[in-house]
Amino acid sequence: DIQMTQSPSSLSASVGDRVIITCRASRGISNYLAWFQQEPGKAPKPLIYSASSLQSGVPSKFSGSGSGTDFTLTINSLQPEDFATYYCQQYDSYPYTFGQGTKLEIK
Amino acid sequence: QVQLQESGPGLVKPSETLSLTCSVFGSSMNTYYWHWIRQPPGKGLEWIGYIHYSGITDSNPSLKSRVTISLDTSTNQFSLKLTSVTAADTAVYFCARDSSLQFWGQGTLVTVSS
Repeated sequence: DIQMTQSPSSLSASVGDRVIITCRASRGISNYLAWFQQEPGKAPKPLIYSASSLQSGVPSKFSGSGSGTDFTLTINSLQPEDFATYYCQQYDSYPYTFGQGTKLEIK
Repeated sequence: QVQLQESGPGLVKPSETLSLTCSVFGSSMNTYYWHWIRQPPGKGLEWIGYIHYSGITDSNPSLKSRVTISLDTSTNQFSLKLTSVTAADTAVYFCARDSSLQFWGQGTLVTVSS
């Protein structure tokens, strides 16, 4: 199985800040990487696919980059609704695997 | 607009079989991959398995011996069966579409308890 490791596991930031979350795959996955945002009690919301493509309707404040084993999710100009848990996920090979999550909290 | 909706019992007894259905609206089941994912309370996401409209399936090796996923294109539904459940199978179960998991259901909580 491909292991996905996110860092940090938690992050405190203020409204207006820019944050970067990283995700590392245990072996190369090309660009078969997605990012999700999850609020408590809700289903994960897709943000990014193919490492850097924005899902329809997702604001451009979210951006993704990377290829191979190292990936990043950048969120610009944090707003209150952005404070949630973020997951990366590889779909290069089965079994699909997720990172452990990064909880973004208000400072 | 693509919508997915999970349904099934919210409570299952230990050693019994968990059965869930995902109803698909606004999308043909042809062409796509259909997935099940779960999330134990307070924990991360675990991929359970998928079925392709052609009938090809695969599942997580950690669950493979207990998982069956099936598809019914006539009713636009696909299903999950997980046998011999224990308390460790208590989770919110989600269904999703596409290799990149572009569309998700809202999830359904299944509790395993006697």
